[in-house]
Amino acid sequence: DVKVTQSSRYLVKRTGEKVFLECVQDMDHENMFWYRQDPGLGLRLIYFSYDVKMKEKGDIPEGYSVSREKKERFSLILESASTNQTSMYLCASGLTDVRFTGELFFGEGSRLTVL
Amino acid sequence: KNEVEQSPQNLTAQEGEFITINCSYSVGISALHWLQQHPGGGIVSLFMLSSGKKKHGRLIATINIQEKHSSLHITASHPRDSAVYICAVFNNDMRFGAGTRLTVKP
Repeated sequence: DVKVTQSSRYLVKRTGEKVFLECVQDMDHENMFWYRQDPGLGLRLIYFSYDVKMKEKGDIPEGYSVSREKKERFSLILESASTNQTSMYLCASGLTDVRFTGELFFGEGSRLTVL
Repeated sequence: KNEVEQSPQNLTAQEGEFITINCSYSVGISALHWLQQHPGGGIVSLFMLSSGKKKHGRLIATINIQEKHSSLHITASHPRDSAVYICAVFNNDMRFGAGTRLTVKP
């Protein structure tokens, strides 16, 4: 079974702090994604990566950055957390054909609260 | 208006009832996905459809491409089916519905 592991299930941070959310997948997937999920809204894409050291902005990249130094690991960084970044963050990965089918494998999610 | 609309937003049923969740979309797609999110947060894929109908156990998913509509049915619902069900459409990128929260009471 594909396993996508997010490092922290629950985090509480203060405004202005730097936040790292880590995601690791164990199935050699080329493609990795970071989404945020808010009540009443569908998942929204923050950033994605189709290869090591490669990243592309999604729909809502402002206030976020990402890092993909190794194929299995995709990190989401909040340089200076703000209260409007309180949300559930979901990491996903997919095979090459995700670009044609959209078939994704999700992690358990990281619920971030910024005070 | 969201490109993917789900109804209802919330649904409460008694154990054993037949459940239907609807998804309408406004864009052309190459595939439609039904996803399940349990209270812990993790999301699993239930179905990927591009036409017709698929069945897995007590779950049935249908899609009508011409009407841009899909339904997810659960037969003989059980409390363990309680979850958020998410419709997502794919055409170069994924667009997600807001989800339907299903609660099945014993």
